[in-house]
Amino acid sequence: EVQLVESGGGLVQPGGSLRLSCAGYGFRFTSYWMTWVRQAPGKGLEWVANIKQDGSEKYYVESVKGRFTISRDNAEKSLYLQMNSLRAEDTAVYYCATVAWDSSGWYRVESWGQGTLVTVSS
Amino acid sequence: DIQMTQSPSSLSASVGDRVTITCRASQSISNYLNWYQQRPGKAPKLLIYGASSLQSGVPSRFSGSGSGTDFTLTISSLQPEDFATYSCQQTYTFWTFGQGTRVEIK
Repeated sequence: EVQLVESGGGLVQPGGSLRLSCAGYGFRFTSYWMTWVRQAPGKGLEWVANIKQDGSEKYYVESVKGRFTISRDNAEKSLYLQMNSLRAEDTAVYYCATVAWDSSGWYRVESWGQGTLVTVSS
Repeated sequence: DIQMTQSPSSLSASVGDRVTITCRASQSISNYLNWYQQRPGKAPKLLIYGASSLQSGVPSRFSGSGSGTDFTLTISSLQPEDFATYSCQQTYTFWTFGQGTRVEIK
């Protein structure tokens, strides 16, 4: 059974930094693109970033480019999100998830963690 | 950026009802469209991918259709566990989600 466990969330002041971690269990970590998706309180889902299996390709939503960095350690089966220059609008539950893909080109977010809450406030 | 607009934003329905949720893309996305279900306080769950392919383990009362800019999620006979929020997602270029449709008990 696929299990994703996020950690590292918490309260941080505007302009501060935080590093989220996600540990993967029960699946072949190196076979999957991985993604971070966030959800502000009472709002819809927002894709944040993707990373390829070997870390050679990374993609970000425009609003976090230059501030957030996605990375992975395949030996540790872990995904990370380094968040710098945090703003109030970054307040959200951050989900780590696997990305499934098939030969038809259909990407989809398949397995999700339980999420970790990041609150940016003074 | 491709904008995804869902309608309605919320709806009330009874157990056994047929429910239809619509998602419209601001430009053509072929069939790169997924649907998710999210219960309160829980992580989303993948229902449909590629506009109409049912994810393994998802009940057959869920179905998806559409291509280009207009897509539909249908629940053929609403069950008590289906009261939740449903979101569409395009993966044609970068990714964006719709704002969600909340399905409530009538």
